[in-house]
Amino acid sequence: KAGVTQTPRYLIKTRGQQVTLSCSPISGHRSVSWYQQTPGQGLQFLFEYFSETQRNKGNFPGRFSGRQFSNSRSEMNVSTLELGDSALYLCASSLVSGARADTQYFGPGTRLTVL
Amino acid sequence: AQTVTQSQPEMSVQEAETVTLSCTYDTSESDYYLFWYKQPPSRQMILVIRQEAYKQQNATENRFSVNFQKAAKSFSLKISDSQLGDAAMYFCAYRRGNQFYFGTGTSLTVIP
Repeated sequence: KAGVTQTPRYLIKTRGQQVTLSCSPISGHRSVSWYQQTPGQGLQFLFEYFSETQRNKGNFPGRFSGRQFSNSRSEMNVSTLELGDSALYLCASSLVSGARADTQYFGPGTRLTVL
Repeated sequence: AQTVTQSQPEMSVQEAETVTLSCTYDTSESDYYLFWYKQPPSRQMILVIRQEAYKQQNATENRFSVNFQKAAKSFSLKISDSQLGDAAMYFCAYRRGNQFYFGTGTSLTVIP
């Protein structure tokens, strides 16, 4: 079974631009979560989508948004990029949402650099 | 308030030796899951081991085992017979509801 895939793997943008990242979960997984990973802050939760609905949201500004499609693929959008948005963005999928026994499986990440 | 705390930013171990990575967490729940993830340099994060809070027996996966102390809210990872491929950032995680909470990670160096 194919793992979680994320595209693109690397992105370079300039301040003020917007960016869209894509995540395809493991086949059969319906929950997709997004994290921002930086050396100083570790992994910070952005949001989770399940059945095309946002189930949970972390403490990030409204410039960060996402959506999920009927095939469970998810996109994350960041508008008006700032230098501080430079990070590794990780996507993780799991079978369902909220089940304690459920494990998240991570994609390779998208490395975003904002100049 | 920090839910998951990893107090060791960096650790090192001699190849073939044993190392223990610490993790403490804060919760008022009685049934939950704890996880250890490994992130090798520039590589994908993978699950190492997980533990259900209701199970008294500590989880084991080959050379990896945990010491789960529920009352103390402690969940340490022991790596036996360390190998060069074990060098990575290790993250402890706790699941509450729809969300995983991660510690800040411990960078493990394996010395040949």
